Amino acid sequence: DIQMTQSPSTLSASVGDRVTITCRASQSIGTWLAWNQQKPGKAPKLLIYKASSLESGVPSRFSGSGSGTEFTLTISSLQPDDSATYYCQQYNVYWTFGQGTKVEVK
Amino acid sequence: EVQLVESGGGLVQPGRSLRLSCTASGFSFGDYLMSWVRQAPGKGLEWVGFIRSKAYGGTTEYAASVKGRFTISRDDSKSIAYLQMNSLKTEDTAVYYCTKKGGISGYHPFDSWGQGTLVTVSS
Repeated sequence: DIQMTQSPSTLSASVGDRVTITCRASQSIGTWLAWNQQKPGKAPKLLIYKASSLESGVPSRFSGSGSGTEFTLTISSLQPDDSATYYCQQYNVYWTFGQGTKVEVK
Repeated sequence: EVQLVESGGGLVQPGRSLRLSCTASGFSFGDYLMSWVRQAPGKGLEWVGFIRSKAYGGTTEYAASVKGRFTISRDDSKSIAYLQMNSLKTEDTAVYYCTKKGGISGYHPFDSWGQGTLVTVSS
């Protein structure tokens, strides 16, 4: 099974800050990596697929990069609405999620 | 617009069974792999299993934690996917989400999610 490890587990930042979340895969997954956003009591929402492709309707302040085993999600200018938990997800072999990163906006 | 609506959750005793349904609309249901993902209270997302489309054999795969106890099926005529859960354990307590693979073939993440249905396993 492919294991996904995210860091940090939580982060707190101010409006306008640049925020980066890291996701590591236990083996190479190419660019078959997605990022999802989940707000409390809601279903996850796809933000980015194929490591760096923005899903339709997602603000351009979100971006993704990486390949192989190391990936990052960057929010270029944090907004209050970005308060959520973010999950990476590999889909190279079935689907596996990271443990999540909770982002708090101060 | 794609819509996935889960139903069938509730309180069930350990060792008993429960069947969840996922009613889909807004896309050609029979063409897509459908999957279930769960989330225990306060925890992260765990993939449970999937069923391929009939074009790809309609076969299923499951996570090790549920293999042999859970069964996924589909009724393409009604656009419904099912999750039959047997021999339930307290650790199966979670919100169960129905999800749709983002493409008909190839590598895709889940691009649509239902609102989820809560399953509580407790005596």
